[in-house]
Amino acid sequence: AQKVTQAQTEISVVEKEDVTLDCVYETRDTTYYLFWYKQPPSGELVFLIRRNSFDEQNEISGRYSWNFQKSTSSFNFTITASQVVDSAVYFCALSGGIQGAQKLVFGQGTRLTINP
Amino acid sequence: NAGVTQTPKFQVLKTGQSMTLQCAQDMNHEYMSWYRQDPGMGLRLIHYSVGAGITDQGEVPNGYNVSRSTTEDFPLRLLSAAPSQTSVYFCASSLAGTANSPLHFGNGTRLTVT
Repeated sequence: AQKVTQAQTEISVVEKEDVTLDCVYETRDTTYYLFWYKQPPSGELVFLIRRNSFDEQNEISGRYSWNFQKSTSSFNFTITASQVVDSAVYFCALSGGIQGAQKLVFGQGTRLTINP
Repeated sequence: NAGVTQTPKFQVLKTGQSMTLQCAQDMNHEYMSWYRQDPGMGLRLIHYSVGAGITDQGEVPNGYNVSRSTTEDFPLRLLSAAPSQTSVYFCASSLAGTANSPLHFGNGTRLTVT
């Protein structure tokens, strides 16, 4: 069975602080995909990143960075110099195998609040 | 380009009533799916379809029916609504057969069953 755990239910920081959102996953598939989605207060789901199990390179996109470590089954997300607009619920998700690439298993989500 | 369109945005039902949540996409995506979002539980897959005429169950299919008569549309039917179906429902689509296509989500339908 596949499982995604986001142990941090809520995080609150002051603007400009760095913040890391944790994601731990479980799967028996050798090929799998990891995702992060953002859900701002308006409610829509915004795709942020996808990583496949064969690519452990960390990725940086502006103030966002992702650290994928197969050895610890983690796919953590860091926001550098946080801004109020980063306030949202963030979901980590997993899909396994080629056939199941679009069937996502989501974590419980982390509500991030950035205070001015 | 509208993407994934869900209607209605809000709906209130009484227990036992039926209704259909509509989902349409204009990206010619083969794969479509329905998720429900409940507090503290993330999103859970209800049903999905890999193409017209093909549907399958996800993690929480009970109480819901789907059909896929066209590539564009994937309606979700509640035959007899129950308070446990109070949730936010998201429709999503993507290209099938490729792992490189992320899911594109609609804006959601907030359903309350009293």
